[in-house]
Amino acid sequence: DTAVSQTPKYLVTQMGNDKSIKCEQNLGHDTMYWYKQDSKKFLKIMFSYNNKELIINETVPNRFSPKSPDKAHLNLHINSLELGDSAVYFCASSPNLGQGYEQYFGPGTRLTVT
Amino acid sequence: RKEVEQDPGPFNVPEGATVAFNCTYSNSASQSFFWYRQDCRKEPKLLMSVYSSGNEDGRFTAQLNRASQYISLLIRDSKLSDSATYLCVVNTPSNYQLIWGAGTKLIIKP
Repeated sequence: DTAVSQTPKYLVTQMGNDKSIKCEQNLGHDTMYWYKQDSKKFLKIMFSYNNKELIINETVPNRFSPKSPDKAHLNLHINSLELGDSAVYFCASSPNLGQGYEQYFGPGTRLTVT
Repeated sequence: RKEVEQDPGPFNVPEGATVAFNCTYSNSASQSFFWYRQDCRKEPKLLMSVYSSGNEDGRFTAQLNRASQYISLLIRDSKLSDSATYLCVVNTPSNYQLIWGAGTKLIIKP
């Protein structure tokens, strides 16, 4: 029974296109995140939502827009894709925003922009 | 200085050996520390939380040194299946964010 799921797993698209990645967690967690892991393997937080409310919005181009229809879902829409957007995007969740909580990750979406 | 720094490796270690690596952090007010493991082309998974008193889980021991601002991970009797990238994670006290190190790659050789 998958705890954090993401779709699609692979996404290959051309520059300038708009695409979405979906994330769902069935753990009953309040907090969800989007991370980007680039080719150098740095894992960088992009957004954090707590109970559908945006908490953290790091320096991310406004072409990236997260949407949380309910606390079990956090989707990521990307407009006007650029080559530099190629990376693995991970969704994660944690019970709450508290600092001691483990984060559970989805399997990742490998985005390739050509 | 980076907020969280790790030696990227790779550490090439024979099976059965003991290996240790450190992670340094810059914010002295940090309170939560974790080691995550990431296998190739997979998602990170929590290996251990790191407590002030140190903690041990089977072959794995994690330690925190607040004075020198580093955490360490020791793996005893290493197995082939321990081959992975080990990510150090530290909280930022000013907000709810976790800062991730770039990871240390470990390769266990038969």
